[in-house]
Amino acid sequence: GQQLNQSPQSMFIQEGEDVSMNCTSSSIFNTWLWYKQDPGEGPVLLIALYKAGELTSNGRLTAQFGITRKDSFLNISASIPSDVGIYFCAGDDSGTYKYIFGTGTRLKVLA
Amino acid sequence: KAGVTQTPRYLIKTRGQQVTLSCSPISGHRSVSWYQQTPGQGLQFLFEYFSETQRNKGNFPGRFSGRQFSNSRSEMNVSTLELGDSALYLCASSASGGHEQFFGPGTRLTVL
Repeated sequence: GQQLNQSPQSMFIQEGEDVSMNCTSSSIFNTWLWYKQDPGEGPVLLIALYKAGELTSNGRLTAQFGITRKDSFLNISASIPSDVGIYFCAGDDSGTYKYIFGTGTRLKVLA
Repeated sequence: KAGVTQTPRYLIKTRGQQVTLSCSPISGHRSVSWYQQTPGQGLQFLFEYFSETQRNKGNFPGRFSGRQFSNSRSEMNVSTLELGDSALYLCASSASGGHEQFFGPGTRLTVL
């Protein structure tokens, strides 16, 4: 199936460090969503982006909608142990309500 | 407001059987989408229903079907189960015209 390229695939960081991850696509998206998933649970929506160039924050999380509309970035500042999990980006296919998900970035925080 | 609920949470079936999964969206949400999540393929879109009509469909065989009721609750059915259907099935709801999808905890289906 079609997927977005998300990088890095996984990362270990020290508590307190900042984290950056990104998502790229060969298609233009009108909406980008960022989710976090904990083991055995469904993804939880973190940030929604609707406009090229838009920068949106949610606490220590900041996400940006790339100018080309083919990429998006998520930054986590001052990471804490509960940030551990898998982060997914998702883009809407051709402005429909059919979402394509990234391959995920697995984040592990070392206390 | 209660979140998205899915039942059952866990299910074990054998090859050839069929299964029905249920999803109750957030109150007031009229769109329900279904996804299959596997370690190999990640999250794959199955279909989306809005006001009892299938509005979008992913690239899955016809063995996967769904429906939505007038109260926005949705069911998905998988017939003639195969080993490869073992996955976490997630549903997500969104408000009318909204793109923000809120997921349920999922149903873990194991096919033996």
